Order: sequence, then C-alpha cells, then structure tokens
Amino acid sequence: SAVISQKPSRDICQRGTSLTIQCQVDSQVTMMFWYRQQPGQSLTLIATANQGSEATYESGFVIDKFPISRPNLTFSTLTVSNMSPEDSSIYLCSVRVPVGETQYFGPGTRLLVL
Amino acid sequence: SQQGEEDPQALSIQEGENATMNCSYKTSINNLQWYRQNSGRGLVHLILIRSNEREKHSGRLRVTLDTSKKSSSLLITASRAADTASYFCATRQTGANNLFFGTGTRLTVIP
Repeated sequence: SAVISQKPSRDICQRGTSLTIQCQVDSQVTMMFWYRQQPGQSLTLIATANQGSEATYESGFVIDKFPISRPNLTFSTLTVSNMSPEDSSIYLCSVRVPVGETQYFGPGTRLLVL
Repeated sequence: SQQGEEDPQALSIQEGENATMNCSYKTSINNLQWYRQNSGRGLVHLILIRSNEREKHSGRLRVTLDTSKKSSSLLITASRAADTASYFCATRQTGANNLFFGTGTRLTVIP
C-alpha cells in the first residue's frame, strides 16, 4: 500500500491568485496523478506526473493553468494558477503501486476561490 | 465520455439491509476498482477486480464483473450507518496508466 499526504488540506483564496498543493508519498512510485473533483461531481483526471519527464495533461487541462512538478519519486506539486471561482474543487493526488496495480489517493485539498 | 455510469445515483436503506450498486463502462479494461468517499474527503480503496476475474469478496463486500456486458456490481451486506458514503467505480482501460471514474452512488444507511 501507499500512504499519501497533501498540503494544505484546505484553503480559501482570492481570485487571480495561485495556490501550490503538495503531495508526499511514503514510498517511491513511478506513476503519480492529479485529479479534480468539482462540488457534487465525480473525479476527473487533470494530468499524469512521471519523474524525469513533463506531465501529460488530459483534454481540457493545460500546463499554464495547472503547472506540475515531479522532482523525485516521492513528491509532486500541482499549482492552480490565476484562480477563479470555477476552480473551487477538491484536488486529489493519487499514486499507482507497481505490484497489484492498486491506485491510492491522498486526503485531498479542498479549495474555495472567492 | 470516458467515465462510467453508476446506478442508482442515490440509495437509501435501513441498517442491516443489503446495498447493491451497479457500474457500467464503455471500453475494454485491465481492471476495475471500487472506492468509498466520506463527505468529500479522500478516497478509500475497497477492492480491485481484474478483467479475468468474475467475483471477489472482501469482508462484507462482494464485487462482480461481467466483461461481456461491460458492467460491475458492488454488494454491501448487512449494512451499517458507518457505510453511509459515496461509492465510485473506476476503470483502468487496456493499455492506459490511469483510472477513469464513474458518476458515483450516494448511499445512506438509516440507523
């Protein structure tokens, strides 16, 4: 299994500002993912973050809006840039463990943009 | 959409009853995973079933998979108030690295 922590757990931000969310895993993993969950909705994949390469973004998400860093095999950050109220969501970090293919999720970062 | 569909969207049962949630998906998959989410918090992994498996059990949970119908079901037996949560299915498509999530079922267990 994998234990994942995220910082901050929640934040309230003003529109036009940016927030960086950190994700820390207790073991080395190759595959890390960032998801967004808008209020009352299911999870949508933002991007896949692999160490040593640029993140791969899903349709509808761009690097300028959601820059991602992956400096090593246990850590990643997601920045939500130039925020608007539509960015109010829960952002979840996720990792895939090599053996068994189970995918684990962090506790999420609840973001409210005013 | 790559998302699966779950039904029902919401389910309300009495404590002690069984709860069944269904998930349908669109493409061939490598595996399907079920998660629980309490009140907008993080997701708790419940069970993974591979495409070559038809049924798996874990405690009070029973998951079935029918790849010919592209569907799965999650059965929670002898439900408890603590089972109140949203339940999501997620599929890993063949050849893909990530998961795509269903729309979710909101389960309420009444004490």
